[in-house]
Amino acid sequence: EPEVTQTPSHQVTQMGQEVILRCVPISNHLYFYWYRQILGQKVEFLVSFYNNEISEKSEIFDDQFSVERPDGSNFTLKIRSTKLEDSAMYFCASSEGDRAHGYTFGSGTRLTVV
Amino acid sequence: AQTVTQSQPEMSVQEAETVTLSCTYDTSESDYYLFWYKQPPSRQMILVIRQEAYKQQNATENRFSVNFQKAAKSFSLKISDSQLGDAAMYFCAYRGFYNNNDMRFGAGTRLTVKP
Repeated sequence: EPEVTQTPSHQVTQMGQEVILRCVPISNHLYFYWYRQILGQKVEFLVSFYNNEISEKSEIFDDQFSVERPDGSNFTLKIRSTKLEDSAMYFCASSEGDRAHGYTFGSGTRLTVV
Repeated sequence: AQTVTQSQPEMSVQEAETVTLSCTYDTSESDYYLFWYKQPPSRQMILVIRQEAYKQQNATENRFSVNFQKAAKSFSLKISDSQLGDAAMYFCAYRGFYNNNDMRFGAGTRLTVKP
C-alpha cells in the first residue's frame, strides 16, 4: 500500500527559529496538502498545492508559512520565526485529484516550540 | 463556507455492540463527497468510509456503514460489532465537487470501546 511519508516524526525548536517539515507524497498523486492539529483540537486546513503552486490557503497560512516542492518528490512546509502557538501535529496529505477519493495522510510531525 | 459539525465530543460502546457517531454539515453545493476518518493513538489519519452525495445508497465497508440523509445534511457513521481496535478519534469530513479542493473536518468524536 503506497504511503505518504513525513519526517521528522517529532521536532523541538526554539521560539523564533525556522523549521522545515518534510513530506514525500504518493508518487502518482497530483494534489498535496498540509493540515495541522493542535493537541486535542480539530484538524485544520492550512494549504493545498497543485501544479507547483498554491491552489488554496486558509487564514492560518499567513506570511510565516511557505510550501515548496523542490525536487518533484518532496513537499515541504516551512515555518519562519516559530511561535509557541505553532506547536501542533502537522499532517501532510496527497490525493489523486479525483474528489471522490479521500486523502492519504502521512503519520504526522509533532512540532513543539519551546 | 462549508462547515462540518460533530456534536458528540465523546462516545463509548461495549465491545460487540453497535454505536452511531453523528455528523452534520452545511453547504450550498449539490455535489460533494463525505468521509469518515479514524485517528488512533498512533495519530495517523485513516480513511474509514466515503460517500458520494449523488448516490442515494448508503456506503458500507465491512462493519462500518453510513446513514446519509442529504436533505437533512446528515452523515452518521455506524460501527457494528465494535472491537477494541475501533477505539480512536473519528473525524467527519466534507470535500466539495466544484469549489475548493481541500477537505474540511469536524471537531471529532472520541470513541471508547469497553471490554
